[in-house]
Amino acid sequence: DAGVTQSPTHLIKTRGQHVTLRCSPISGHKSVSWYQQVLGQGPQFIFQYYEKEERGRGNFPDRFSARQFPNYSSELNVNALLLGDSALYLCASSYLGHLNQPQHFGDGTRLSIL
Amino acid sequence: SQQGEEDPQALSIQEGENATMNCSYKTSINNLQWYRQNSGRGLVHLILIRSNEREKHSGRLRVTLDTSKKSSSLLITASRAADTASYFCATSARENQGGKLIFGQGTELSVKP
Repeated sequence: DAGVTQSPTHLIKTRGQHVTLRCSPISGHKSVSWYQQVLGQGPQFIFQYYEKEERGRGNFPDRFSARQFPNYSSELNVNALLLGDSALYLCASSYLGHLNQPQHFGDGTRLSIL
Repeated sequence: SQQGEEDPQALSIQEGENATMNCSYKTSINNLQWYRQNSGRGLVHLILIRSNEREKHSGRLRVTLDTSKKSSSLLITASRAADTASYFCATSARENQGGKLIFGQGTELSVKP
């Protein structure tokens, strides 16, 4: 079975632009979470979506937004890019997004802001 | 901000030795999980231990949890070069319904052949 897939794998943008990152969860998984991982640090939670509704949001500015589609795939959008947005963006899926379930991560999108 | 801290930040050992990594966290949790990340890749789930459990095993992995000290440890026995990676602990709180994991800074493990 295919794991969590993310696209694109790498992206270079300039300050002020916007970007859309995409994630396809494992088949049958209904919960998708997004994380930002800056080089040398652990991932930081951005959003969780379950059944197309936002279930949680981390401490990120309104420039970050996301949505989940009927097929449970998800998009993360970032507007007005800043140099500090350079990071690895990880998507994770789980079946129900309930307690005591591990999350399955994709390999991420490496975003570089020039 | 990160939930907790991991210790050590970096660890270098020889193949066949055991590796121990520690994790501390700050708030009450529902469970604690350990993940491995190879360079430039996503995270791979290793083991989950619930707040009412004290020890859990999976193959060469042994995890302990001490909720009174808000700490956990991951032991990898008989390490192999393929175990070289970064290891992260992550906590899940009950009110987050499992969707939000809070990660530590990670321990970078290097296993030399």
